[in-house]
Amino acid sequence: DAGVTQSPTHLIKTRGQQVTLRCSPKSGHDTVSWYQQALGQGPQFIFQYYEEEERQRGNFPDRFSGHQFPNYSSELNVNALLLGDSALYLCASSFSGHQPQHFGDGTRLSIL
Amino acid sequence: AQSVAQPEDQVNVAEGNPLTVKCTYSVSGNPYLFWYVQYPNRGLQFLLKYITGDNLVKGSYGFEAEFNKSQTSFHLKKPSALVSDSALYFCAVRDTGNTDKLIFGTGTRLQVFP
Repeated sequence: DAGVTQSPTHLIKTRGQQVTLRCSPKSGHDTVSWYQQALGQGPQFIFQYYEEEERQRGNFPDRFSGHQFPNYSSELNVNALLLGDSALYLCASSFSGHQPQHFGDGTRLSIL
Repeated sequence: AQSVAQPEDQVNVAEGNPLTVKCTYSVSGNPYLFWYVQYPNRGLQFLLKYITGDNLVKGSYGFEAEFNKSQTSFHLKKPSALVSDSALYFCAVRDTGNTDKLIFGTGTRLQVFP
């Protein structure tokens, strides 16, 4: 039973570029949440997708957007990258709000 | 707003000794509390949760946590630490509303010495 998988594992971009991160939820899960974990910090909630719609959003600018596909997989898009966007981006999945959430190993995004 | 605080950046303990990692919470309503562990270059692994019921919650890898409503605390404990328990530990609380958004503490690094 595959857990949450994220791709790519590492990514290097320059300021102003755009990036897309991908997540496949754990089998049987239909809800995907995205978190940003800056170095030395706890994860911060970006947004959550359920039934292909954004259900809740954290305190992140509109440069951060997402999508959920009919197979429940999800993408996180970040436009106009800033140095401060360098972080580990974590995807978590769950079944219809039932805890706990299961996390992937994340995508390490570095902005030069 | 819901929040959790982890007052210790690092906890050091000798292998075989009991360990405690502290967490306090601030919530409106009944708290849904969680502990996760993060190993280097990995995501978060779920350890245990408290939603309702017994104040002592047992979780994975021999960990347990004690929910104390009067002290608004949810400390993580283990009777006998292992070197392999060395990792970053996060306390989290579920936000209010129709969501399973988690609000995390800043993390506590546990170092177990042989």
